[in-house]
Amino acid sequence: GESVGLHLPTLSVQEGDNSIINCAYSNSASDYFIWYKQESGKGPQFIIDIRSNMDKRQGQRVTVLLNKTVKHLSLQIAATQPGDSAVYFCAEKENYGQNFVFGPGTRLSVLP
Amino acid sequence: SAVISQKPSRDICQRGTSLTIQCQVDSQVTMMFWYRQQPGQSLTLIATANQGSEATYESGFVIDKFPISRPNLTFSTLTVSNMSPEDSSIYLCSARGLAEGTGELFFGEGSRLTVL
Repeated sequence: GESVGLHLPTLSVQEGDNSIINCAYSNSASDYFIWYKQESGKGPQFIIDIRSNMDKRQGQRVTVLLNKTVKHLSLQIAATQPGDSAVYFCAEKENYGQNFVFGPGTRLSVLP
Repeated sequence: SAVISQKPSRDICQRGTSLTIQCQVDSQVTMMFWYRQQPGQSLTLIATANQGSEATYESGFVIDKFPISRPNLTFSTLTVSNMSPEDSSIYLCSARGLAEGTGELFFGEGSRLTVL
């Protein structure tokens, strides 16, 4: 399939290692955040979300950390697998807003 | 969750022509949006498709270039008018059950347009 994110920052990790993808958001009024995974030729897929009243949320092999003080969001992927190779986007939204604003994206490349 | 189907999934178009992309959601949703994803870029919101009324466009996008319809709660179309090579992008339909607050934004698989 076609490649999305040809010029995006790339994070390369060894299979089995943990990955940390970072996102700096801009709007201090944002209080809802989502991480999306986008594989080549596909639409973005929901991974995990977090509200601003939390600083950590865990899913299956993934953890999202939120630091509102410095407006920073991170996605941690445990035991990274080849199937995790994709472009990852963070998205932010204000509680009473309708629109999500997406970050620039990071390409995760898993090395065998 | 909502399943979103878009068509066409890809197309090659000639300069100056127009193309309409269709988006069908498998359940009634409150909000539908159209995003553009240019090569190597993130997602940029084009407009919110409002049911029964004119779409709400973001800065830099106008109705004459990107007319949008949303005749009901499950269907929307985006037309890319008078295309130029700069319109070559992936166009993504998305939907959300809630107008405000938390709640996931779902995406279709995208329509990749190449304008020659």
